[in-house]
Amino acid sequence: QVQLQESGPGLVKPSETLSLTCAVSGFSLSNGYYWGWIRQPPGMGLEWIGSVYHTGSTYYNPSLNSRVTISVDTSKNQFSLNLSSVTAADTAVYYCARLSPHYDSSGYADYWGQGTLVTVSS
Amino acid sequence: EIVLTQSPATLSLSPGERATLSCRASQSVSSFLAWYQQKPGQAPRLLIYDASNRATGIPARFSGSGSGTDFTLTISSLEPEDFAVYYCQLRNNWPQTFGQGTKVEIK
Repeated sequence: QVQLQESGPGLVKPSETLSLTCAVSGFSLSNGYYWGWIRQPPGMGLEWIGSVYHTGSTYYNPSLNSRVTISVDTSKNQFSLNLSSVTAADTAVYYCARLSPHYDSSGYADYWGQGTLVTVSS
Repeated sequence: EIVLTQSPATLSLSPGERATLSCRASQSVSSFLAWYQQKPGQAPRLLIYDASNRATGIPARFSGSGSGTDFTLTISSLEPEDFAVYYCQLRNNWPQTFGQGTKVEIK
């Protein structure tokens, strides 16, 4: 059974960098698939942040492109999100997910983490 | 960027009734569309992929149809656990986007 778990600070100060990690169990990242980050501001809809392949190839939402970095660590079977220069508008629940089909960087999210709330506030 | 518009915003129905949710794309997305269900405090769950295929473990009362620009999610007979928010999402396009959601609430 594929399981994903997000971790990272729940509170980040404005202008700083938000850093989250998604640990994957039950599936080796080296076996392929794209892995993504999606966020949801409180009471609002879903927004795609970006995705990464086990080779390190990445795709980012253009609306966040200049601030986003997603990386993968196959030795630890995890992938990470860095979002720089955060503002209150970046306050959201952040989800990590596996994307399907395996070859599609913009695929459907068939396995999700439980999500982690990150609040941007001084 | 392709925009997905869901309607209605809210659907008020009783258990046992049929629910019909719509998702319209601003340009053709072929059949590259999914539907998700989200309950309060939970991550979304994939229900339907590629417009009409049920994901693993999804009950048969959920069905999807459509292609091109117009898509429908149908719940044939609402169970108490089906009252939730439903989102559509396209793939095979960057950035992939979600619709704004339809809330199915108990009447």
